[in-house]
Amino acid sequence: AQSVTQPDIHITVSEGASLELRCNYSYGATPYLFWYVQSPGQGLQLLLKYFSGDTLVQGIKGFEAEFKRSQSSFNLRKPSVHWSDAAEYFCAVGAPRNDYKLSFGAGTTVTVRA
Amino acid sequence: EPEVTQTPSHQVTQMGQEVILRCVPISNHLYFYWYRQILGQKVEFLVSFYNNEISEKSEIFDDQFSVERPDGSNFTLKIRSTKLEDSAMYFCASTHPGSLNTGELFFGEGSRLTVL
Repeated sequence: AQSVTQPDIHITVSEGASLELRCNYSYGATPYLFWYVQSPGQGLQLLLKYFSGDTLVQGIKGFEAEFKRSQSSFNLRKPSVHWSDAAEYFCAVGAPRNDYKLSFGAGTTVTVRA
Repeated sequence: EPEVTQTPSHQVTQMGQEVILRCVPISNHLYFYWYRQILGQKVEFLVSFYNNEISEKSEIFDDQFSVERPDGSNFTLKIRSTKLEDSAMYFCASTHPGSLNTGELFFGEGSRLTVL
């Protein structure tokens, strides 16, 4: 069964500083990996995804993530954070051989200080 | 751009009452899902549905829960007798498996259920 670990529950970062959110996954085959963002009271918005090819993927809002098979990781990064990036971020692993079901991590809450 | 729509956006109900949450998936999608998120917690898988039957369900999805696709467009989640612990945001999602599919689930905005 697939699973995701997000080690950081809460991260506070200054506006303009860089951000990195960690994600480790467990899956027996090549995973499909995703980062979703959830603003307060809102739904889940896809930031980016990896399923094959280049291990550095670009997403919306200036985010990128790097798939490292050797470390079973898919960390999310942004070079310069904006106040609007304050939200909860969820890493998820998909299982194409298991009805494409997604398993989510517990999420990381990002607070941006001025 | 096509999207998954959910109704109602918020429902308040008394414990023991039946609740039906409705979803209209993207029209050419074939796999459908319900997830829930209890306040402050992770997004949890409830059930997946394909070819007019449940393909997988979690341990959360007990006999109080049911899903159906009554008319080829709507996808509903019914909770037969709600409990306080059913209070959560419920997300519907869909996807269209195929050679170009990258496993992305398309989520609705969610239906917030409050059980009093």
